This record gives sequence, C-alpha cells and structure tokens, in this order.
Amino acid sequence: GAVVSQHPSWVICKSGTSVKIECRSLDFQATTMFWYRQFPKQSLMLMATSNEGSKATYEQGVEKDKFLINHASLTLSTLTVTSAHPEDSSFYICSASPHSNYEQYFGPGTRLTVT
Amino acid sequence: GQNIDQPTEMTATEGAIVQINCTYQTSGFNGLFWYQQHAGEAPTFLSYNVLDGLEEKGRFSSFLSRSKGYSYLLLKELQMKDSASYLCAVREAAGANNLFFGTGTRLTVIP
Repeated sequence: GAVVSQHPSWVICKSGTSVKIECRSLDFQATTMFWYRQFPKQSLMLMATSNEGSKATYEQGVEKDKFLINHASLTLSTLTVTSAHPEDSSFYICSASPHSNYEQYFGPGTRLTVT
Repeated sequence: GQNIDQPTEMTATEGAIVQINCTYQTSGFNGLFWYQQHAGEAPTFLSYNVLDGLEEKGRFSSFLSRSKGYSYLLLKELQMKDSASYLCAVREAAGANNLFFGTGTRLTVIP
C-alpha cells in the first residue's frame, strides 16, 4: 500500500511555456501533499505544503505566482510551473501523507528540462 | 530556521559496516527520518526515530540523541546495491508534517 504516482515522469518544454505536474495517492487519501525540488547532487528542498481544499503554504523564497499548486481532491495535487525558464530545470518530487504526524510517501519524481 | 548537516560523501567496502552521521539544529523536533535515494529516483523510507536510542531494522539501524541533536544510520553487511544517497530529515512540529532534509550523504560501496 501507500503508493504515490507522478505524471509525467519527465518533460521537456520551451522557455516561457507552462508545465503541469500531477501527483496522485493511489491507495490512500492524502490530506496533505508536499512538493520538493532537487537540483543535481543536492538534497530535497521543500517548496510548498498543500492541504486539500485550502491554499498552499509556500516556503520562503518560493514564488507562489510562478509555482501554482492545486489540491482539489484527497488524491490529487498539481504543480504548474508557469513561464518556465532554464533555471527551473530540476527534479520535482511530491509526497503525500494520510494525516498529520505520519510518514510521507514519495512519488517517483518528474524531471523537468526547460530549453 | 533549520540546519541539518551530513557528510557529503563516504566510501566503504562490500561486507563492511558504515555509519552515516547527521547533526541538526531546528526550531522544534518531532522526529527524525532516514531515507535512501538512488540517482534519479525518489527517496524511500528507511527508519524513523522520535525517542532517544537505537532502532534496528534488519541490516539498517538508526540512533538518536535529542539532547545532542545527533543521529546516525548504521548499515551492516554492505552490499553493492547500497550505493546511494542517504538523506536525514527532521520533522519540526507535532501535527505538522513538514520535513526538512539534510544535504544527503552519497555512499559508494566498493568491492
């Protein structure tokens, strides 16, 4: 149990376009989902926390207007990178948790390359 | 703020034992996690400590000292497939599930 999927697994887009990444909890309801970004040879950096039905909480330094997060249901959260630039190229990983104070389950990640 | 430190890289021999240390300074503490991450893949959960002491799970053990802000992950009988990055993560507050990750330790197991 506790499977989290992400789609797409990789995407290449042109500078200035927007990209949507989906994160789904397949066999449990996730009240909370998290979005991380990981640059090569670096650790995971928390970007934002999203709770179903409410606005996401963004970490300091993360632009909420550039990284749009929607958590419309208990099994789906989406991250949209708007007006992507080459510096946004990274590995984006989501995680989901069935409730507070519980383990996070990670998705397989989405590799975004902006040309 | 959060400050979580790990060695950047370690090398160990197949069959040996290796200890990966993690020190942390955080605003609060409600548990420490260890994850394994192979290149290009998502992290997978290894262990969780919230009380002081040693948690053992097969070839992997994790230790915590809250007073010292210190944890280690111990890997026994190393196998080549254990070559990966090992991430230490701290949860700051009860009821909030945010994890803050250390820099990660890249372990290379050699024959």
